[in-house]
Amino acid sequence: GQQLNQSPQSMFIQEGEDVSMNCTSSSIFNTWLWYKQDPGEGPVLLIALYKAGELTSNGRLTAQFGITRKDSFLNISASIPSDVGIYFCAGLPASGGTNDYKLSFGAGTTVTVRA
Amino acid sequence: KAGVTQTPRYLIKTRGQQVTLSCSPISGHRSVSWYQQTPGQGLQFLFEYFSETQRNKGNFPGRFSGRQFSNSRSEMNVSTLELGDSALYLCASSTGTVYGYTFGSGTRLTVV
Repeated sequence: GQQLNQSPQSMFIQEGEDVSMNCTSSSIFNTWLWYKQDPGEGPVLLIALYKAGELTSNGRLTAQFGITRKDSFLNISASIPSDVGIYFCAGLPASGGTNDYKLSFGAGTTVTVRA
Repeated sequence: KAGVTQTPRYLIKTRGQQVTLSCSPISGHRSVSWYQQTPGQGLQFLFEYFSETQRNKGNFPGRFSGRQFSNSRSEMNVSTLELGDSALYLCASSTGTVYGYTFGSGTRLTVV
């Protein structure tokens, strides 16, 4: 799959702080997805973005589809201990067909919350 | 409704052996995709099956193969295991939209 550059690789945050992470690519994507993976489990979809410029919220999570279609970011507001985990961005490239579910994933951002 | 079920959860195999992993999708989902997750390479797409046909394929050697049955259950086989095949293997089933793209908990394969 195409390379997605996700940053930061890891972060330690204070409970209550806001968190930001982003994902960039050299290619255009039609769909951006953000997943969270807890230890020993599969990734769980948090937010899906389908249009350039789209800003979508899910509780304390907000994600945006960049207007260039080559990037996306995820914000977590007022972090709590259960936000610990690995967050992945994923995308469906514009070069794929209608039935192309070959998701490309970023390397993940490991979030650890200091109580 | 039941989620995506992968069996077994853990597996230890010896180099050179072969292994078969199983994935039961959410009822009604006809698409099943497989991914390999390793610390070094992250999540890498293996292949996707839809209505018993392989529809998409990643860049893995021919030792990795799969199939899908008429009830949409899928199996993945790895032959002649190598140490580097140690990974978490995840499957995801789909309704046909990314919102319906649900992952299982994975099978942790260790090759010794």
